[in-house]
Amino acid sequence: GENVEQHPSTLSVQEGDSAVIKCTYSDSASNYFPWYKQELGKRPQLIIDIRSNVGEKKDQRIAVTLNKTAKHFSLHITETQPEDSAVYFCAALYNNNDMRFGAGTRLTVKP
Amino acid sequence: DGGITQSPKYLFRKEGQNVTLSCEQNLNHDAMYWYRQDPGQGLRLIYYSQIVNDFQKGDIAEGYSVSREKKESFPLTVTSAQKNPTAFYLCASSMTKAYEQYFGPGTRLTVT
Repeated sequence: GENVEQHPSTLSVQEGDSAVIKCTYSDSASNYFPWYKQELGKRPQLIIDIRSNVGEKKDQRIAVTLNKTAKHFSLHITETQPEDSAVYFCAALYNNNDMRFGAGTRLTVKP
Repeated sequence: DGGITQSPKYLFRKEGQNVTLSCEQNLNHDAMYWYRQDPGQGLRLIYYSQIVNDFQKGDIAEGYSVSREKKESFPLTVTSAQKNPTAFYLCASSMTKAYEQYFGPGTRLTVT
């Protein structure tokens, strides 16, 4: 069935460095790709999303790129800060209501 | 933290008992969703509802039931038929379809 693969599962960077998380999806009909940040014991929060008619989207230190041909998309965080430490989930929307999530990436930013 | 609420935050039940998790939203969203999250895994869709009195099964609906009698409310019942009910349950809502979903704070259910 449809699935989303996410890599790496853990990522540790030094404060100020960049972090990149990558996801691949299986259904070429997917048209919406959100990224969520989840701090320990809290709800996932939408941090950025991209639709299939766009190749890149930026919001301050966060950017997402989408390669529809290769069926992969990536989250880029620049100038990382300790408060960026969390678990990040990518997702892909199938059939308008079926959101498939990746397994998550635990990002640690060392001060 | 208003907008979408879940209660209770922690819930403990004995095996064989049904339990109902509450989800309420005041965002005037049409669509609501239930997800299950297990340690080290992503979220998996249990049920969703696009409109009052209508709901659809997600990927892991077996052992769960829902109702959508009001736009604001989408309770989830975990039945005794669910083999591994211990998990973190998240409710979400969106204006329409599944774009820009907003999540509730979650309910951690432990069944012993």
